[in-house]
Amino acid sequence: AQTVTQSQPEMSVQEAETVTLSCTYDTSESDYYLFWYKQPPSRQMILVIRQEAYKQQNATENRFSVNFQKAAKSFSLKISDSQLGDAAMYFCAYRRSLVGRDDKIIFGKGTRLHILP
Amino acid sequence: GAVVSQHPSRVICKSGTSVKIECRSLDFQATTMFWYRQFPKQSLMLMATSNEGSKATYEQGVEKDKFLINHASLTLSTLTVTSAHPEDSSFYICSAVGAAGELFFGEGSRLTVL
Repeated sequence: AQTVTQSQPEMSVQEAETVTLSCTYDTSESDYYLFWYKQPPSRQMILVIRQEAYKQQNATENRFSVNFQKAAKSFSLKISDSQLGDAAMYFCAYRRSLVGRDDKIIFGKGTRLHILP
Repeated sequence: GAVVSQHPSRVICKSGTSVKIECRSLDFQATTMFWYRQFPKQSLMLMATSNEGSKATYEQGVEKDKFLINHASLTLSTLTVTSAHPEDSSFYICSAVGAAGELFFGEGSRLTVL
């Protein structure tokens, strides 16, 4: 069974600094999708970034980038130039495919990120 | 982007009553929707997969007679918490699968059972 592990329950970073959130996963599949979701105090789940396992290039979305290490089954999220609005719970997630509509998304336990002014 | 709307966002009910939560895809058709439960400071726990026109698939440990799911149209899935009790108090979130397989999440519904 697939699992997603986030080993950092909470992290803090100074505003404008860079922070990296860790995530490891376990799967026997060779093709899959990995995600980072942000859940601010409003509780609305927001997709931050997505990585396809078949792509070697790390995904980047503005200040957010990932370090995808397929062999190590590691998928960390780097947030550059941290802003107060980045304060939220961040969930790492795995999904076997997008085509298989019934494929469940598996979430890690989350990392709560605090931004210090 | 695609929008998924949940209603109500907050509901308070008395113990023993039933509560219905709606999940609507506003600008796309979703044959598959997922229902999650989230306890405070915890992750999302998948409760069931809802498929339009067929019975929902429940995760292990989720009582299907307690949490009734109906996906009667391509834009609407409902979760009914039957004979609610205080331990059913939680935050319930739905997500709908878009045409490209992307997941779009509703805003969530906070249920409080007195």
